Amino acid sequence: DAKTTQPTSMDCAEGRAANLPCNHSTISGNEYVYWYRQIHSQGPQYIIHGLKNNETNEMASLIITEDRKSSTLILPHATLRDTAVYYCIVRVADQAGTALIFGKGTTLSVSS
Amino acid sequence: GAVVSQHPSWVICKSGTSVKIECRSLDFQATTMFWYRQFPKQSLMLMATSNEGSKATYEQGVEKDKFLINHASLTLSTLTVTSAHPEDSSFYICSARPTYNEQFFGPGTRLTVL
Repeated sequence: DAKTTQPTSMDCAEGRAANLPCNHSTISGNEYVYWYRQIHSQGPQYIIHGLKNNETNEMASLIITEDRKSSTLILPHATLRDTAVYYCIVRVADQAGTALIFGKGTTLSVSS
Repeated sequence: GAVVSQHPSWVICKSGTSVKIECRSLDFQATTMFWYRQFPKQSLMLMATSNEGSKATYEQGVEKDKFLINHASLTLSTLTVTSAHPEDSSFYICSARPTYNEQFFGPGTRLTVL
């Protein structure tokens, strides 16, 4: 699986959009970009994933650059409850028996 | 999304005892489940892949005789920490994949060995 690079930490004001970047310059054509988050002392939570088109769901939007070498997770209106560690993971989607491998992620702190 | 549960949510035990942690997929069947361990201020580390009806596959450096994994049904995997010691104190998290795309995680079990 391709390696990802994320900033160690970010701050965001409550109510503002949080834009979390991820670099994955060695991504292969069949690898998806996944985002998970982990709130303190809880299991990771799935947020969104995409291949090359931008994706949106009730939690967030995922913007993937045209060359697919980087992406941005957008939380449109961050709340205090969005304070968590956010993980960007790149992997092939059809590896049913293969686990997600986590990097260090970005610690997002949302403040009022 | 799919729901994965773990029991217990936390456990305190004496050094030398064994502790069993259960992981259940509540609304789907999972032929494969995964066990992770997380130390304070660190990321999740994959320990092993649990396969229903067969032996688990352990990651390098994880002692298979110390961390016993049993995946006896399509909805239940158990992790037993045998002869636990204080250095085994950690946050243990299981997960499962109902589809090819998404992997869901349990809430975790906090193990403290005194």
